[in-house]
This record gives sequence, structure tokens and C-alpha cells, in this order.
Amino acid sequence: GAVVSQHPSWVICKSGTSVKIECRSLDFQATTMFWYRQFPKQSLMLMATSNEGSKATYEQGVEKDKFLINHASLTLSTLTVTSAHPEDSSFYICSARFERSPYEQYFGPGTRLTVT
Amino acid sequence: KQEVTQIPAALSVPEGENLVLNCSFTDSAIYNLQWFRQDPGKGLTSLLLIQSSQREQTSGRLNASLDKSSGRSTLYIAASQPGDSATYLCAVRELTTTTSGTYKYIFGTGTRLKVLA
Repeated sequence: GAVVSQHPSWVICKSGTSVKIECRSLDFQATTMFWYRQFPKQSLMLMATSNEGSKATYEQGVEKDKFLINHASLTLSTLTVTSAHPEDSSFYICSARFERSPYEQYFGPGTRLTVT
Repeated sequence: KQEVTQIPAALSVPEGENLVLNCSFTDSAIYNLQWFRQDPGKGLTSLLLIQSSQREQTSGRLNASLDKSSGRSTLYIAASQPGDSATYLCAVRELTTTTSGTYKYIFGTGTRLKVLA
């Protein structure tokens, strides 16, 4: 199946700094990528949807100025958490879909962010 | 607004037992339903995907059923093994697209399964 990678897998940062998380589709071109957030023992919550070359669509309640998403190419999307605070500590997972398999999303392994 | 619920939230069974995980959704207008497995601190692995026109899908010891009219899906695991221990998530893909032309998956709360050796 299709492979999606995320980098880094784990990051610790100080409060007030910004952190960038990368999501790459390794063997296919991802026309759409999704970013999810997961708190401990809770389900995944969709944060935003990004289409290559256009602005991301954010879900209600998600601050677009805080969570900057850039889908610059068909294989790369980035999520930047700006001015991170401890409450931003979470598990962030991306997923991708491509035209040849419109029914499925392929998920990355996730990035655990801890803000101290 | 679509809501997806999974029961039970946690389950502990002895090795070899057959078990059923439940997923219910409030809006039957779905495109498909997918079952995932998530190991601690890891991403999601797709197990089975059922299109809205299908009733069930099977893969090895796993069988997933879908009853769209009643808003229910079940994941049946036969002859459970300790390696099956994980959190199982179901997700429904909404029928309608967003204003940007994409679709959304709504995830359930998950069932944490522990299979005891």
C-alpha cells in the first residue's frame, strides 16, 4: 500500500517557539492531505484539509494563524505550530489521498509534540 | 452532525477468544466506513474498508459488517492473539464534500483491546 511518512516522530520544544512537522507521501502524489490531532485516549480530530497549491481549509475552532499549513508540492505538506504552548502538546497525524485511490486515506505514523 | 461512537471503550479477553467490536454512527448518509488499528504512540493502519453499498468485508481473521440503515458496523476478530492488542478505530467518510471539494472522515472514540496470553 501507499506510504506516508512524518518527520520528526517526536519533538520537545519550549513554550513560545515554533515547530514544523513534515508529512510526505513516499510513493504517490497526494492531491489532498489531512492533518489530525489526537489527545491521549481520545479519537482523532480533523484540524484541516489541504489541497496542493491552494490554501488549507480549517475545521471550526482551529486557529489558522496558530497552525500554519503549507501543501507546496504533491508529496509534501507541512504543519507549523507557531508560538507553541503546553496545551498544544498532542499527537499530530497526517494522512494523504491520491487520485488513483479516491476512497482511502493513507496515514502517517504521527508526531508527538511536547511543549514545556 | 455526524457522531461516531464505539462500544466498549476497553476490552480485555483471553487468547483464543472470538470478539466483536461495535461502531455506531448517527447519520446513515455515508460514503464508506473504515476500520483502523492504532498501536500505542503510533499512526493508523487500515484494516478493512466497506463501501456504503457493501454489507461486509473480510481479511484473514477479521470480518467487518455494515448495516447503514441502522447506523452500525461491527468488527469481528476470530481466535484473538496477544498481537491483536491495540486500539481499534472506526471512521465514516461523509457523503457530501466540504466547500473546498474534499471530504471528511469522522472518527469514533476507539476500543482499546488487550488480549491476554
